[in-house]
Amino acid sequence: AQKITQTQPGMFVQEKEAVTLDCTYDTSDQSYGLFWYKQPSSGEMIFLIYQGSYDEQNATEGRYSLNFQKARKSANLVISASQLGDSAMYFCAMSSDYSSASKIIFGSGTRLSIRP
Amino acid sequence: GAVVSQHPSWVICKSGTSVKIECRSLDFQATTMFWYRQFPKQSLMLMATSNEGSKATYEQGVEKDKFLINHASLTLSTLTVTSAHPEDSSFYICSARAGVETQSSYNEQFFGPGTRLTVL
Repeated sequence: AQKITQTQPGMFVQEKEAVTLDCTYDTSDQSYGLFWYKQPSSGEMIFLIYQGSYDEQNATEGRYSLNFQKARKSANLVISASQLGDSAMYFCAMSSDYSSASKIIFGSGTRLSIRP
Repeated sequence: GAVVSQHPSWVICKSGTSVKIECRSLDFQATTMFWYRQFPKQSLMLMATSNEGSKATYEQGVEKDKFLINHASLTLSTLTVTSAHPEDSSFYICSARAGVETQSSYNEQFFGPGTRLTVL
């Protein structure tokens, strides 16, 4: 069975600093996809970044990058130059299908708070 | 990007009544839709997967007679909470996956804005 673990229930970061949100996963599948979503207080799920298990390069999307360490089964999210609007819940997630977002399981989430 | 809507955005109902929540893909055809449930300060838990024209596949522990899912068209899936009770109060989120004609590098799920259900 697949499992996603986020060990940081909450984090406080100073504005403009970089922040790393931790995520480890467990799966016996060779093909899988890893995601990060942002959920502001409004409740909508905002897709941030995706990493396929066969992708050799770390995924990047603007200020977001995914530090993918396959051997360690970790997929940490790095946010550079944090902004006040980054304050939200962040969920790491996994799908069992590399190329198709099939059933997704979510981690418990990390609440990120950016201090001005 | 692709847009998924949910209606209503919030609903309050009396215990024992049934509530229907709609999930629509507005600018693409969704071959598969997913229904999630999120309790306050908790993560999203997948309830069921529905494919257009076929019966939904429910996750373990989810009562299929309690949470009726219908995916009658490629743009609409509905979740009906039957005989709702206060413990069914939660945030329900749907997501939709496009068919193979998507331009994405992978077949992304697009999430709706969620429906907050409160059962009195």
